[in-house]
Order: sequence, then C-alpha cells, then structure tokens
Amino acid sequence: SAVISQKPSRDICQRGTSLTIQCQVDSQVTMMFWYRQQPGQSLTLIATANQGSEATYESGFVIDKFPISRPNLTFSTLTVSNMSPEDSSIYLCSVEGAGPKTYNEQFFGPGTRLTVL
Amino acid sequence: RKEVEQDPGPFNVPEGATVAFNCTYSNSASQSFFWYRQDCRKEPKLLMSVYSSGNEDGRFTAQLNRASQYISLLIRDSKLSDSATYLCVVNTGDSWGKLQFGAGTQVVVTP
Repeated sequence: SAVISQKPSRDICQRGTSLTIQCQVDSQVTMMFWYRQQPGQSLTLIATANQGSEATYESGFVIDKFPISRPNLTFSTLTVSNMSPEDSSIYLCSVEGAGPKTYNEQFFGPGTRLTVL
Repeated sequence: RKEVEQDPGPFNVPEGATVAFNCTYSNSASQSFFWYRQDCRKEPKLLMSVYSSGNEDGRFTAQLNRASQYISLLIRDSKLSDSATYLCVVNTGDSWGKLQFGAGTQVVVTP
C-alpha cells in the first residue's frame, strides 16, 4: 500500500481563521479523498480530489468552506476556512489501492487532529 | 435509515474466545466490502476485503451475504491486541469508488 503523510498532525486554532492540511503520497495516484471524523463518530467523505479538475464535494460540504487543491498526482491540500468550534475534528486523506481481487480499497493518512477554540 | 449499520458494542471478549458481529448495508448495487480496524486516536487501517466466496486471513474470517445484504467478521482465539473498533465499509456502486463507513463495532478483549 502507499505511504501517506499529513501535515500538520494536530493544531489548535482560533475561530475565524483558516488551516490548510497537506497530504503527500509516495506514489502517483489518480484519486485522493478527504474525510472528516468528528469525535465519537465514523468517517464522512468531504470530497474527492482528482488531479487537473475541480474537487467533487459531498452533500453538506462546499468549496468555499473546504477548498481543495490537487496540483499533481502525489499531493493535495484541504483548507478548513473561517473555522468554528464545530469544525473540531480529525481530517484524513486517503488514496485507493490496487487490491488483488477487488478494487476501491482505500488507505489512510495518519490524520490531522484539529481543535478550534 | 443509515446506509451501513453496525452494532456499536462494546463486545467484551475473554482472551482466547471467539467473537463475531455483522454489518448490514442498504445499497444493493454495492460491489466492494471491507473491514477496517481503527485503534483509539489512529487512522483506520484495512483489515481485510470481503470477497463473494468469503475469505479467511489467519484468525479473521469474513463472510458476505448478498441476498440479505450483510457482511460478518469473526475473530477466533482473540488476543488483547484485537481490542479496537471495527469499521464496516461498503462502496456505493459508483464507478469511482465512493465508500460508506459504518459507525464501528467496539471490541474489548479482556485477560
């Protein structure tokens, strides 16, 4: 599986500010995914990021709040804009693997733990 | 109704015992099924994919029942290190592989 790193690993931010999270993969991948995991809950997909095109956002998530960049096949950023305490969460990026019999397996970065005061 | 439903547990399991739990999914078009393991404050890690014929990986056995739309995970000879939250994950049937995550089943293996 791919090796995925995220920066920062954690941050504490003031409300109204923005934070950009970086996701770096050690191999070229077509699709990268950004998820949010709020305390005590499972993962919710924010958007899918393809290189060279606009990200595709899921219901409830908008580009103005969560702008995404995908400048090449190994890197993506997610910005959490104009933050409020409700944005406190773990943000994870993932990539698809290449399973031997199935497809769509995803592998996750270590996550960015965000606390908004 | 949630698209992927799991019993949240916790399942308290004595070390060495067997534990099994299910997950139901609502989208009959789903084609890919997975079990992920998530330790506290860590990212989810793929435990195993679930194949139509069922599959086994060491002490872990996964089964798929398409007719009843559920998948199961069985852990034999439980180890303390098996304590974690197990996430049931199902693809939506979209060609580009969007995944739906269950809320997880917590397993606690006790000495």
